[in-house]
Amino acid sequence: AQTVTQSQPEMSVQEAETVTLSCTYDTSENNYYLFWYKQPPSRQMILVIRQEAYKQQNATENRFSVNFQKAAKSFSLKISDSQLGDTAMYFCAFMKPTREQGAQKLVFGQGTRLTINP
Amino acid sequence: KAGVTQTPRYLIKTRGQQVTLSCSPISGHRSVSWYQQTPGQGLQFLFEYFSETQRNKGNFPGRFSGRQFSNSRSEMNVSTLELGDSALYLCASSSIRTSGIKVYNEQFFGPGTRLTVL
Repeated sequence: AQTVTQSQPEMSVQEAETVTLSCTYDTSENNYYLFWYKQPPSRQMILVIRQEAYKQQNATENRFSVNFQKAAKSFSLKISDSQLGDTAMYFCAFMKPTREQGAQKLVFGQGTRLTINP
Repeated sequence: KAGVTQTPRYLIKTRGQQVTLSCSPISGHRSVSWYQQTPGQGLQFLFEYFSETQRNKGNFPGRFSGRQFSNSRSEMNVSTLELGDSALYLCASSSIRTSGIKVYNEQFFGPGTRLTVL
């Protein structure tokens, strides 16, 4: 079974700073997907960024980028020029691919509560 | 396009009662997944439905059940409620995404139903 571990329950940084959230995972699969989801207070969860394990290049989405180290099974999220609106719970998640249509289950880490201070 | 909707948003029940939660996926999405979110256990996969068939099930007791209708709307039911069932129940609908030669399902989450069991 796959497991996802986020070792930082809470983090706090000043606005405009750069912050890195850590995530490690355990799997025997060679092909899989990794995700970072953001859950703002009292708002719904949204996808921040996605990484395919077969791609060596790290994914980036504007101010969000990942450092994917497949051998180390590490998948960290870097938020540059942090903004107040980045305050949220961040979840790292793992998904095993399948040839079938329909959703494969997401395995989530425990989450990191990130606070951006003005 | 309207997002994933869940009703009701809040629910208070007492031990021993049963509850039904509803989820309407994004138009055109045929897969619906359910997750339970608690402070202690984090986000855990309950089950997934595709074209009215349960295709994947998490490690939850038989008191938790679900179904999907022909219009892809889904309901989950919890019978004989226990205090530990208090949680945020998230529904996610899924659409197929293609990245190169790979196909995966991106999940879009609803706002959740917060269930409190007294």
